[in-house]
Amino acid sequence: AQRVTQPEKLLSVFKGAPVELKCNYSYSGSPELFWYVQYSRQRLQLLLRHISRESIKGFTADLNKGETSFHLKKPFAQEEDSAMYYCALSSRGGTSYGKLTFGQGTILTVHP
Amino acid sequence: NAGVTQTPKFRILKIGQSMTLQCAQDMNHNYMYWYRQDPGMGLKLIYYSVGAGITDKGEVPNGYNVSRSTTEDFPLRLELAAPSQTSVYFCASTAGTYYGYTFGSGTRLTVV
Repeated sequence: AQRVTQPEKLLSVFKGAPVELKCNYSYSGSPELFWYVQYSRQRLQLLLRHISRESIKGFTADLNKGETSFHLKKPFAQEEDSAMYYCALSSRGGTSYGKLTFGQGTILTVHP
Repeated sequence: NAGVTQTPKFRILKIGQSMTLQCAQDMNHNYMYWYRQDPGMGLKLIYYSVGAGITDKGEVPNGYNVSRSTTEDFPLRLELAAPSQTSVYFCASTAGTYYGYTFGSGTRLTVV
């Protein structure tokens, strides 16, 4: 069975400090991994996907198949980054297509 | 652009009552999902649908039921509400995982 683990429920950093939100996964196939974010009083929304190798709002995430990790990083945190972050893994193929398995979430607080 | 619309936003139910959480999307997405969000537990998949007339159970389907008679609508039915169903419920849709999920604003349900 596939599983996504975010070991930190809470993460606090100061503005301008680097931040890394950890995500580890277990999956027997080739994974599709995503980071979703929920800002206060807003809907959950896609932040970035590993397949695009993109940088969104200064965040990047690299898929490390050897360590089965997909950590989210930003070199200089901003106060507006404070939010709940979810790592998610997608099933592929057949009727399971598109199902996302979410981690437990990490609440990031960036202090001024 | 309405996206995914969920109603109601809040509801208090008594034990044993029933209700239907409504979800509608106007993006012509085939894939729709219902998740529940509990503190420290992340999002758990209740039911999903890959198209009109096709539904399947997710990780935590007990106590719930769904139907998908049209592409647009994916209601979630709670029969005989129990305190364990106190949660925040999210509906989501997608054209494919690469595009990310579009989430509704959520329904906060309390069963007393």
